[in-house]
Amino acid sequence: LAKTTQPISMDSYEGQEVNITCSHNNIATNDYITWYQQFPSQGPRFIIQGYKTKVTNEVASLFIPADRKSSTLSLPRVSLSDTAVYYCLATDKLIFGTGTRLQVFP
Amino acid sequence: NAGVTQTPKFRVLKTGQSMTLLCAQDMNHEYMYWYRQDPGMGLRLIHYSVGEGTTAKGEVPDGYNVSRLKKQNFLLGLESAAPSQTSVYFCASSYSRVGETQYFGPGTRLLVL
Repeated sequence: LAKTTQPISMDSYEGQEVNITCSHNNIATNDYITWYQQFPSQGPRFIIQGYKTKVTNEVASLFIPADRKSSTLSLPRVSLSDTAVYYCLATDKLIFGTGTRLQVFP
Repeated sequence: NAGVTQTPKFRVLKTGQSMTLLCAQDMNHEYMYWYRQDPGMGLRLIHYSVGEGTTAKGEVPDGYNVSRLKKQNFLLGLESAAPSQTSVYFCASSYSRVGETQYFGPGTRLLVL
């Protein structure tokens, strides 16, 4: 099964750019990569999704290289409210990893 | 639109008791999912459904049963609860599976004593 691997935790300060990388070596041809954000006591919330190259929306960017064995979520100028757990997901496999716990400090 | 709702929000069971968790969505989504999340862990897929009247096993199906009698509802049943089933249960739905965003409910906290 395609399993994703992410750093367990990351720290940052307000205003900095944060890049979270996800490794997915066994991704299938029809898999998209989706990132979710989860706050304590809430369900995950969709952030961004991509297949390859770069995708940008109003909250984040997602870069997937040509070999599609990894992806990087980029959060520009984080704020305290971005403190959460971030999950990457190979869509067709529905397997969430343990996620990356991002802590933003003032 | 309410999105995805879950009932109940919190429940305490004794070992061996049974219960049913209800998930409802008003987005006309075909696909629905049940996940469990243990403390400090990611989500694990229990069962999912690709349409009314269909269900399929996920990563951790043992000890659970599901039914999808109506398109908008997806029920998760525990026939004989065990302490190992203490967890937070999330329901989600999506228009389709591949490449589609999942919308999650607020979760049900279950404690089995």
